[in-house]
Amino acid sequence: KNQVEQSPQSLIILEGKNCTLQCNYTVSPFSNLRWYKQDTGRGPVSLTIMTFSENTKSNGRYTATLDADTKQSSLHITASQLSDSASYICVVSVSSGGYQKVTFGTGTKLQVIP
Amino acid sequence: NAGVTQTPKFQVLKTGQSMTLQCAQDMNHNSMYWYRQDPGMGLRLIYYSASEGTTDKGEVPNGYNVSRLNKREFSLRLESAAPSQTSVYFCASSPGQAGGNTIYFGEGSWLTVV
Repeated sequence: KNQVEQSPQSLIILEGKNCTLQCNYTVSPFSNLRWYKQDTGRGPVSLTIMTFSENTKSNGRYTATLDADTKQSSLHITASQLSDSASYICVVSVSSGGYQKVTFGTGTKLQVIP
Repeated sequence: NAGVTQTPKFQVLKTGQSMTLQCAQDMNHNSMYWYRQDPGMGLRLIYYSASEGTTDKGEVPNGYNVSRLNKREFSLRLESAAPSQTSVYFCASSPGQAGGNTIYFGEGSWLTVV
């Protein structure tokens, strides 16, 4: 069982519509949570980073939320554009003995269609 | 500003052949990483270098070796390639520990072992 689970695995939406991607994690002790966007054939690019004390972070049309109590995060995309078609990866960091371990989710593949 | 540059972009190897993936970053980052990405699985850490002169095993180090040549460069070597090593490889870097810092990824290297 993945320690960072994302849902749905894939999603198709119409251009202009909103969508929400989910991330549930079981790793602890939690340090921070990040969302990355990965275009097809490219490397992941950071969208947001949230620490334990933050419950929301925005980057343009992307808004990430975090509930550290339930260990859930979501990424909301507003007014989607064709360029939002990509995989979105949730990444959780935990602190362990002074070292921070990073665990990647398997991603949600989003397709925005005209 | 190129960021993280890795070569080659594509490579086909025969089982048993060796090759080296090259990576360089121009952001003066201390830490560098090699990940592999396989369908249905999150990015998995192969090896990392927390700082110049040090290297450590990650989650899936078997069959690989690395060299932190200097602060800029971190190479990944496959001594005797196996079909199980068919994957997309990403080099990455961060100012400090990956857990507490944004990770910057290269564009990926697609490796096929036949």
